[in-house]
Amino acid sequence: GAGVSQTPSNKVTEKGKYVELRCDPISGHTALYWYRQSLGQGPEFLIYFQGTGAADDSGLPNDRFFAVRPEGSVSTLKIQRTERGDSAVYLCASSTRGRGSGANVLTFGAGSRLTVL
Amino acid sequence: GQQVMQIPQYQHVQEGEDFTTYCNSSTTLSNIQWYKQRPGGHPVFLIQLVKSGEVKKQKRLTFQFGEAKKNSSLHITATQTTDVGTYFCAGLDGSSNTGKLIFGQGTTLQVKP
Repeated sequence: GAGVSQTPSNKVTEKGKYVELRCDPISGHTALYWYRQSLGQGPEFLIYFQGTGAADDSGLPNDRFFAVRPEGSVSTLKIQRTERGDSAVYLCASSTRGRGSGANVLTFGAGSRLTVL
Repeated sequence: GQQVMQIPQYQHVQEGEDFTTYCNSSTTLSNIQWYKQRPGGHPVFLIQLVKSGEVKKQKRLTFQFGEAKKNSSLHITATQTTDVGTYFCAGLDGSSNTGKLIFGQGTTLQVKP
């Protein structure tokens, strides 16, 4: 697509529930990132995919968080047994890789705002 | 792990005054990027600096990358109300080959007309 698309834009859930957040990157972008942003903070790195594989998942806070990108395009961030502290805006971004001028430059989606009650 | 720090956290200026935000990394960076996030929006890419000592300008915005590739600054001349937002630097760790981009906590700029 023309931009990075994230769904849902808003998700309200109860503590302990399972949540899936979806990201559809820019067509042709091989790199896909997930970040989490709390109010007044910068984007916090969660995980980065190059193609289908997670090149770096060092930012996932614990084993309740998991992300997949099975066909190298759409990605899903999965959160099990949600906690109130998981409430934040989850941002997805995509980019090209390599040495061109646009390489590694992130185009962000509008984010998915997760509220855990 | 790699940390990227920005100061100040907030800056209030009168329209027409200049503004500067500073970014420092705990590790040497292969490049640094700057993003702007308007209130209620998402981060939007402004510029990327790659070379040691590099200076780039975009109209009233001047970006610098330090000689040691561990710090950077963004300077806005004669601020306008359209400059309102949060400015983030983001660094690509020079020792890492994973493409992991770490963001600073941002500087929020308010401009009084």
